[in-house]
Parts: sequence; C-alpha cells; structure tokens
Amino acid sequence: ETGVTQSPTHLIKTRGQQVTLRCSSQSGHNTVSWYQQALGQGPQFIFQYYREEENGRGNFPPRFSGLQFPNYSSELNVNALELDDSALYLCASSRGPSSTDTQYFGPGTRLTVL
Amino acid sequence: DAKTTQPPSMDCAEGRAANLPCNHSTISGNEYVYWYRQIHSQGPQYIIHGLKNNETNEMASLIITEDRKSSTLILPHATLRDTAVYYCIVRGLPPSTGANSKLTFGKGITLSVRP
Repeated sequence: ETGVTQSPTHLIKTRGQQVTLRCSSQSGHNTVSWYQQALGQGPQFIFQYYREEENGRGNFPPRFSGLQFPNYSSELNVNALELDDSALYLCASSRGPSSTDTQYFGPGTRLTVL
Repeated sequence: DAKTTQPPSMDCAEGRAANLPCNHSTISGNEYVYWYRQIHSQGPQYIIHGLKNNETNEMASLIITEDRKSSTLILPHATLRDTAVYYCIVRGLPPSTGANSKLTFGKGITLSVRP
C-alpha cells in the first residue's frame, strides 16, 4: 500500500460529458503527477502539480485540466469527453517535483466513455 | 530522456531467481534507472532505483553495469504473485522537475512465473 488513494474506482460517461477524478497524496508528499493508460499501453504523463500550480504538462489538450488543494490532494478534470479518453487514470504522489523524487502510484480510476 | 529496451516477455519457475534485463545505452551521467511493475489493472508499484552502484531492498536487487548502458533487476525467489509487467525507466537528468521529471513508460517486459 502506497497511501495514495483515488476515487472513484470506476465510472462510465457518455461522449461530450465532463468528468472529475480525485487523488489523495501520501502523507508528507507535496507533488501529484497524473498519467493516462490506454488498454495495452504504458502510462502516459498528463501533467504534474506542485504547490497548487501546474508544473509541467505532457502532450494532452487543454480540455484536460487539474487542481491541487492546500492539503496536496488533486483533481483531474476532463471536458468534452471523447471515446479515446477511455483509459485507466493514475495519479502518483512524490515528496517533491524533482526527477530524484520517487513517484508512488494510486490504484487508478477506470473511465469508460460510451 | 534516455530510451530503454526490454525483451517483450520471459518466464521463470516459482522459487527460482528472475533476472530481468534492460538496455539503456544512451543514458546520461546523472540519470537514474527506475524499475516499476504493474500487476493486471492495478497502479504501477515502485520496486527500486539506482544510479551507479548496485542496490538491494526487500523486493529486489538492481545490478547496473559499470558503463551504465544496461541493468538487470533480480527477484531472488520469484512467486506466482510476481507475475506482472515490469518497466525499466531512465528518468530525466536531475534536477529536472515537472514534465522533465516524468516517468516515461515503454511496453515493459511481461514476467510469467510458472508453478
């Protein structure tokens, strides 16, 4: 157990809807990174949040957005859902934003877009 | 980030050592090698990381060659629960942050432990 929790575990949405996924970081961690894992692929980096600010983004459109709260928990919001957004969404927390800070993953949220 | 190459799959017998190879011939001087594993549909689990020296923890050992162009993850006594996809990742040069500190996952190696 990493102490990183995510909710909900699963959800189903229809194309065009909006979704919010939540992540609680491990105690003592101030950085959250989000990843998307399509079926059969490795996780792909979406963005990182550090001290409540976006601290780097991967190759994802602006309809993917996020928040980080003062307790370092985080949300991932996806607007105008597309079928290709169906994936496992993973968050990882770390002690800091550096490449020397180990990232610990939560169990993920499985999103299905119909 | 340096690219890694792993064979697509391997198997080993339960109770035997599993040696998982990784090639990272373009690694830079201060880039770390990280290993994660992912059991079906769960979040990736951190295993171990290293820079130059061999590392050992309660889960595994990491052997990095002297020229740092390859490494081997060793599970000393594989069990059925070790069946998973194992990812070898070279992480951005410190002190990178943000997108430059991301984990870049390839396809990994599927380890199957047989009874």
